Amino acid sequence: KQEVTQIPAALSVPEGENLVLNCSFTDSAIYNLQWFRQDPGKGLTSLLLIQSSQREQTSGRLNASLDKSSGRSTLYIAASQPGDSATYLCAVLSSGGYQKVTFGTGTKLQVIP
Amino acid sequence: ETGVTQTPRHLVMGMTNKKSLKCEQHLGHNAMYWYKQSAKKPLELMFVYNFKEQTENNSVPSRFSPECPNSSHLFLHLHTLQPEDSALYLCASSALGAELSPNYGYTFGSGTRLTVV
Repeated sequence: KQEVTQIPAALSVPEGENLVLNCSFTDSAIYNLQWFRQDPGKGLTSLLLIQSSQREQTSGRLNASLDKSSGRSTLYIAASQPGDSATYLCAVLSSGGYQKVTFGTGTKLQVIP
Repeated sequence: ETGVTQTPRHLVMGMTNKKSLKCEQHLGHNAMYWYKQSAKKPLELMFVYNFKEQTENNSVPSRFSPECPNSSHLFLHLHTLQPEDSALYLCASSALGAELSPNYGYTFGSGTRLTVV
C-alpha cells in the first residue's frame, strides 16, 4: 500500500526566501507525481507534474524534482511571495494494479510580508 | 476555472434533507472522482467512475449515492446525512490510459463546502 508523507506539516518564512517542501512515498512503482496548491476552502490547482522517467519539472519560480529510487520529491519555491501562502499537496499515481492516486497530508505554507 | 465545474459552491442542509452535488467537465476526460476533505485530514477518495461505470466505492456509507450519466457529468446524491459529513467535497477528472502522457494529471473542481445542521 502506497503511503505519502509530507514534511514539514507547516512552514512560515519571510518574504523573499527560497524554500523547499518535501514529499516521500513508500512504493517506487509510480506513473507520475503531481504537486498541487490549495487555498483555504478551495479546490486543488495543479502546479507541476513529473513523469516517472523524468528528474525535474520547472514552471516559473517553481521547480519540482523526483528521485524515484529513494521515493522522494521536492518542490522548490524561489523568492517566495505572500501570494504563495497556501497548502501544498503532493499526489502519487501508482502503476501497480488499477490506477490509484495517493495524496500526502500537505504542507501549509505562510509567507510573511 | 480549471475545466471542472462544481455546483453549488456552498450548501447547508438539515439531516433529513435530500440534496445533490453536481460536477461537470469538458476536458474530454473519461474518469471522474469524488473526494471528501475534512478539516485536518488528508483527502479521502469516495468514488471512481471510469467511462460512466463505477469502479471503486471506498467503503462509503449508503447515505452518499453517486450517479454518472455520461463521462462529462457526475452527481453525488445526499440523504439523511450526519453532522460529521460536513466537509469540502471535491470532484476531479483524468484521462485514463494517458498516464504516460506528459500532460496527464488530475484536474480538480473548486469544491462544494457542505454543512450539515
